Amino acid sequence: ETGVTQSPTHLIKTRGQQVTLRCSSQSGHNTVSWYQQALGQGPQFIFQYYREEENGRGNFPPRFSGLQFPNYSSELNVNALELDDSALYLCASSLQGSPDTQYFGPGTRLTVL
Amino acid sequence: GDSVTQMEGPVTLSEEAFLTINCTYTATGYPSLFWYVQYPGEGLQLLLKATKADDKGSNKGFEATYRKETTSFHLEKGSVQVSDSAVYFCALSPTPGANNLFFGTGTRLTVIP
Repeated sequence: ETGVTQSPTHLIKTRGQQVTLRCSSQSGHNTVSWYQQALGQGPQFIFQYYREEENGRGNFPPRFSGLQFPNYSSELNVNALELDDSALYLCASSLQGSPDTQYFGPGTRLTVL
Repeated sequence: GDSVTQMEGPVTLSEEAFLTINCTYTATGYPSLFWYVQYPGEGLQLLLKATKADDKGSNKGFEATYRKETTSFHLEKGSVQVSDSAVYFCALSPTPGANNLFFGTGTRLTVIP
């Protein structure tokens, strides 16, 4: 079991609302990445934070944003929710430059109605 | 762009059967390659990795060899067990040290006694 935790476990929102998902990193890890996993698909990279700044982004619109805090915990914020945002959101903590140290949390299941 | 194509599932095998899950990749640079496993109710876990051509990753009886000439990283196990039932994801990190991962769509394996 990894030391990466996510909250909440499940969440239901309606279209147009905003949501904040939280992630607590593995102790000692300085990088956090967020992924979106649609049902039956593999995870898709949203963005990555290192030293509290975004330092890599996948093909996601600006309404997906994030924060990383000094204790390396992080948030994923999604504005103006759309039905297609329904997915499992995974965070992964790691050491910068070491993708094989990437530990995934259990995920937050977001349902947009 | 960088991508991973993974064998479609689901795959159902009897205990002690031989397993192969095919994975091919497209990358512009020199990627690192990974297999992740997602057991029921758990988060993604790194199963094995290979960082350069001809490297063989192995763990828990699973093996995969990085084949640059065929751009493949097929997962194999000689004798599967019921406890191997899970979803398996092939993934790549596009450049050495890059923390963002590109995942395949996943292959669900069910092993029956």
